[in-house]
Amino acid sequence: EPEVTQTPSHQVTQMGQEVILRCVPISNHLYFYWYRQILGQKVEFLVSFYNNEISEKSEIFDDQFSVERPDGSNFTLKIRSTKLEDSAMYFCASSDRTGRYNEQFFGPGTRLTVL
Amino acid sequence: AQSVAQPEDQVNVAEGNPLTVKCTYSVSGNPYLFWYVQYPNRGLQFLLKYITGDNLVKGSYGFEAEFNKSQTSFHLKKPSALVSDSALYFCAVRDTTGRRALTFGSGTRLQVQP
Repeated sequence: EPEVTQTPSHQVTQMGQEVILRCVPISNHLYFYWYRQILGQKVEFLVSFYNNEISEKSEIFDDQFSVERPDGSNFTLKIRSTKLEDSAMYFCASSDRTGRYNEQFFGPGTRLTVL
Repeated sequence: AQSVAQPEDQVNVAEGNPLTVKCTYSVSGNPYLFWYVQYPNRGLQFLLKYITGDNLVKGSYGFEAEFNKSQTSFHLKKPSALVSDSALYFCAVRDTTGRRALTFGSGTRLQVQP
């Protein structure tokens, strides 16, 4: 069964550093998403991406964040200058285009620790 | 703004007994409702969804959920729990405006005792 994959599984960085989290969505999917879960809190939506542009974003997704689909398979989330409060589990998800209510398929997550 | 409440942090049930994990939602208009399960070190795994039609929806691994519009609830159920069902369960909602962002509940840890 096809899966969403994410790398790395755990990233440790110093405050102020840039990080790039990588995701490989399911190959025939066209909608891509990032969510995050701060320890002990809810899973929160960050951004959705379709047709090479952002289609939705939350108030969390400020100018420090950016997303990119650099090639036909990868989908990345960049945090330009990390803050302590960016420490969280980041989940990538994808869904296909056959219906707007189709389920999203999630990757295993990248745990980001900002020191 | 839409929201989801999962009132129980943890549910304990004996193997073989029926289980219920509760979820209530708030959304403008009709909801699209989802249940996901998370096992340790794994991503969120889709279990089932309600879009329209029958209020009782069946999903993976013998799980089902009942949509109740008047009570704005979407409780997850299984007639006979297995130890392997022990995991973290998340309820999520989307509205029908065309936005795709999911709003999640805080999660309920299900512990099935042998």
